[in-house]
Amino acid sequence: DTAVSQTPKYLVTQMGNDKSIKCEQNLGHDTMYWYKQDSKKFLKIMFSYNNKELIINETVPNRFSPKSPDKAHLNLHINSLELGDSAVYFCASSLGTLNTGELFFGEGSRLTVL
Amino acid sequence: DQQVKQNSPSLSVQEGRISILNCDYTNSMFDYFLWYKKYPAEGPTFLISISSIKDKNEDGRFTVFLNKSAKHLSLHIVPSQPGDSAVYFCAGYAYNFNKFYFGSGTKLNVKP
Repeated sequence: DTAVSQTPKYLVTQMGNDKSIKCEQNLGHDTMYWYKQDSKKFLKIMFSYNNKELIINETVPNRFSPKSPDKAHLNLHINSLELGDSAVYFCASSLGTLNTGELFFGEGSRLTVL
Repeated sequence: DQQVKQNSPSLSVQEGRISILNCDYTNSMFDYFLWYKKYPAEGPTFLISISSIKDKNEDGRFTVFLNKSAKHLSLHIVPSQPGDSAVYFCAGYAYNFNKFYFGSGTKLNVKP
């Protein structure tokens, strides 16, 4: 039973399209995140939500819009996709906002923009 | 602005020997450091952490050493096993920023 699951795992699309990636966690965690792994392999935080409220919003183009319908779900919608959006996007969750422990990651969603 | 750096993209070690993965950081405000392990087509999984007030934490075959004056930490795996072959990410966490900062990973290959 997957703790953090995200769909789709692979997504190939054309420039200019709009796409969404969904994430769900069944760990009962309060905080969820979106990370982007870029071409240099760094994992960079994009957004963080705690109990459906946005708490971290990095310098991300406003074409990226996260939505958290409840604390178990954090979806990522991307408008007007660009070539530079090609990356692996990881959803993650943690017990609270201030924690020193683990982030639980999903398997990643590889987005390829042609 | 890469606050956590892993300068070795890959490392190859013989089974049974020690693997040493290194990580450097620039932000002296980090409160915790963590290591994550990632297999292909999977998300990173937590391996071990260390508080910034400690210099060593051990968990089975895994030991993390922290040298605050050098802003350097390392992960030692002894003995290395083929199943340890994965990408290892170092991360720093600061309460003030409430964020994890990750390095770019080191790919470890343990040869049988």
